Amino acid sequence: EVQLVESGGGLVQPGGSLRLSCEASGFTFSSYSMSWVRQAPGKGLEWVSYISSSAIYYADSVRGRFTISRDKAKNSLYLQMNSLRVEDTAVYYCAGIGRYFQDWGQGTLVTVSS
Amino acid sequence: DIQMTQSPSSLSASLGDRVTITCRASQGINNYLAWYQQKPGKVPKLLLYAASTLQSGVPSRFSGSGSGTDFTLTISSLQPEDVATYYCQRYNSAPFTFGPGTKVDIK
Repeated sequence: EVQLVESGGGLVQPGGSLRLSCEASGFTFSSYSMSWVRQAPGKGLEWVSYISSSAIYYADSVRGRFTISRDKAKNSLYLQMNSLRVEDTAVYYCAGIGRYFQDWGQGTLVTVSS
Repeated sequence: DIQMTQSPSSLSASLGDRVTITCRASQGINNYLAWYQQKPGKVPKLLLYAASTLQSGVPSRFSGSGSGTDFTLTISSLQPEDVATYYCQRYNSAPFTFGPGTKVDIK
């Protein structure tokens, strides 16, 4: 059974940084692409970033501020978020496997506020 | 970038009704379209991919069709547990954009 467990969310001031983690189990993590998807309070789903063995992509809204990475030895996906803005406030989901998302974590809440 | 729209933004229907939600891409995406269901307070759930392929474990009252720019999600007989927001998502190329969602409830 695939399990995705996010961590690292919290309250941060505008301009601050945060690093999200997603620990994966139940599948061969190194063989599959993964994404981060976020959902602002009361809003819809927004794809944020994607990583595969050959490509990394970002949404325009986060490009240059967020960095996606993975550690295959630790079966973990990361999202380094810098220069955070109030509008980055959302639940962040780790999702996979592939370009559409059959598996989701429970999400971690990021609140950007002064 | 290719934009995704959905209609209607919300609907109310009676139990047993046939419900149809439309998703439109601003450019052709072949059949690289997925549909998700998100119940209040819950994690999104994949319903269909490749526009019309039902994800394992999803009830057969859900079906999808379309290719190119126009797609539909149909619930053949609305059930109480189908109250949710439904999203389409394109995945032909990045950015893997979601539609704005369609909220379905019971009349």
